[in-house]
Amino acid sequence: SQKIEQNSEALNIQEGKTATLTCNYTNYSPAYLQWYRQDPGRGPVFLLLIRENEKEKRKERLKVTFDTTLKQSLFHITASQPADSATYLCALGGGGNKLTFGTGTQLKVEL
Amino acid sequence: KAGVTQTPRYLIKTRGQQVTLSCSPISGHRSVSWYQQTPGQGLQFLFEYFSETQRNKGNFPGRFSGRQFSNSRSEMNVSTLELGDSALYLCASSKLAGTSWGYEQYFGPGTRLTVT
Repeated sequence: SQKIEQNSEALNIQEGKTATLTCNYTNYSPAYLQWYRQDPGRGPVFLLLIRENEKEKRKERLKVTFDTTLKQSLFHITASQPADSATYLCALGGGGNKLTFGTGTQLKVEL
Repeated sequence: KAGVTQTPRYLIKTRGQQVTLSCSPISGHRSVSWYQQTPGQGLQFLFEYFSETQRNKGNFPGRFSGRQFSNSRSEMNVSTLELGDSALYLCASSKLAGTSWGYEQYFGPGTRLTVT
């Protein structure tokens, strides 16, 4: 069955450093991959979308890579700030807008 | 531009009852998807509607159903509620239906359903 793995342990980093979050998947050939941010008590917020024929996408301090051979996506936040503290979810899609989500990684940026 | 709105925000129901949740997408968005979020299973896709037609369906029992109206507003219904249906139900809208390549989705704040 399809499996999406994100680091279940929280990631704690210092302000100003680069946070790198990992999303690995098995038994799946997604056409695209998305990253979302979720704060407690709120719905997920869209951050980036990358398609299977793209290697890398950037948006301001965010960068995502997509390696379909390794079946892995990396999500980077550069110059991290305490306001970046949240749970980050990767989601894979293969048909229409149906998304299969990972369990998320909690990021905490400390002063 | 107003975001996705969901009503009600909180709901408490008893086992065996049924419930209807409502979602109003962002103006101009015609695709509406529903997700269930629980601590144990995370976010799971329920179904997607576009132009009043169900385009995709997740692996949930037939007790879970939905519909979309001509103004793109959507409702989902859960009949014969079970304790395990307690969850945060999220609605997401997207401008387009997506074919093999999907589009970014905008989520509402969710409806917190508690079944006792």
